[in-house]
Amino acid sequence: AQKVTQAQTEISVVEKEDVTLDCVYETRDTTYYLFWYKQPPSGELVFLIRRNSFDEQNEISGRYSWNFQKSTSSFNFTITASQVVDSAVYFCALSEAPQGGSEKLVFGKGTKLTVNP
Amino acid sequence: KAGVTQTPRYLIKTRGQQVTLSCSPISGHRSVSWYQQTPGQGLQFLFEYFSETQRNKGNFPGRFSGRQFSNSRSEMNVSTLELGDSALYLCASSEGQGAYSPLHFGNGTRLTVT
Repeated sequence: AQKVTQAQTEISVVEKEDVTLDCVYETRDTTYYLFWYKQPPSGELVFLIRRNSFDEQNEISGRYSWNFQKSTSSFNFTITASQVVDSAVYFCALSEAPQGGSEKLVFGKGTKLTVNP
Repeated sequence: KAGVTQTPRYLIKTRGQQVTLSCSPISGHRSVSWYQQTPGQGLQFLFEYFSETQRNKGNFPGRFSGRQFSNSRSEMNVSTLELGDSALYLCASSEGQGAYSPLHFGNGTRLTVT
């Protein structure tokens, strides 16, 4: 069965620090997708990134970067020079691509990030 | 484009009652999914609809049901409410079918069962 583990329940940093959020996943499928979502206090889940299982290239988008390693089944997320506005709960999610397709995501429990001024 | 709209934002119901939640997807999106979020269980998949057909269903009792209309709007219904149904219910839409398209979520409906 699919499983996503975010071992860090809560992280607290001071503004401008770098922070890495860990995500480890389990799946038996060879084709799958990994996602990161951000949930600010307003409640809406905001899509950050999608990565498919065939693309192990790391990605950088502004202060955000993602490190995908199939060998360790990890998809970690780093925020460089954190800001107070980055405070939110961050979710890692896994979606398999069965025949016929289905929009089902399996989410980790989330990591609550607090960035203090 | 307007985002995913969920109504109402807040609901308070009593055990045994029934509730209907509504979701309007982003214009052009044909897939709508529903998730339940609780502090204990986290985010759990309820069901997914594409072109008015339910394509996948999570591990929830039959009290939880949904439907999608021809304009892609969706509703979910919970009958015979229990205290444990108190949760944030999130609706999400996406452009295509399959597990490829990112989901775009609404702000959710906060249901409290007393």
